[in-house]
Amino acid sequence: AQSVTQLDSQVPVFEEAPVELRCNYSSSVSVYLFWYVQYPNQGLQLLLKYLSGSTLVESINGFEAEFNKSQTSFHLRKPSVHISDTAEYFCAVSEWTGFQKLVFGTGTRLLVSP
Amino acid sequence: NAGVTQTPKFQVLKTGQSMTLQCAQDMNHNSMYWYRQDPGMGLRLIYYSASEGTTDKGEVPNGYNVSRLNKREFSLRLESAAPSQTSVYFCASSEAGTVTRETQYFGPGTRLLVL
Repeated sequence: AQSVTQLDSQVPVFEEAPVELRCNYSSSVSVYLFWYVQYPNQGLQLLLKYLSGSTLVESINGFEAEFNKSQTSFHLRKPSVHISDTAEYFCAVSEWTGFQKLVFGTGTRLLVSP
Repeated sequence: NAGVTQTPKFQVLKTGQSMTLQCAQDMNHNSMYWYRQDPGMGLRLIYYSASEGTTDKGEVPNGYNVSRLNKREFSLRLESAAPSQTSVYFCASSEAGTVTRETQYFGPGTRLLVL
């Protein structure tokens, strides 16, 4: 069975500082990895995903994540955060079975202050 | 396109009451999902429908039933609500077919409080 661990429930950071949100997964087969973001009182939105190929994937708003198979990790990073990045971030893993069945981590709340 | 819509946005129930949460998508997606979100537990899959006419149990199906009414609509029913079902419920949909096109799109959620 797959599982996802997000060890940090909350990460406070100052604006323009770098941030890393950690994600580790376990699975017995090849997986696909995702980061979703949830802004207050909204649904989840896909931030970025790793399916295959380059282990470094990027989002349009400056986040990036690196798939590390040996460490079974998919950490999310941003070199300089903005106030507007304040949100909850969920890492998820999926095995492809003809459609997508996601297993989510417990989430990390990113709090960016001025 | 409205994407994934859910009704109602918020509901208060008494223990033992029943209700149906509605979900609709206008993206012509094949697969639809129901999740619940509880503090400190992330999202957990309740039921899913891989394609029109099929439904399957997810991780936490007890106390719920679903209906895939047509390709657009996927409803979640609580027959006899319990306080443990107090949660935020999210519906999602995805195109299905190939892994490279596969992304789940989420609705805005329904907040349910069971007293």
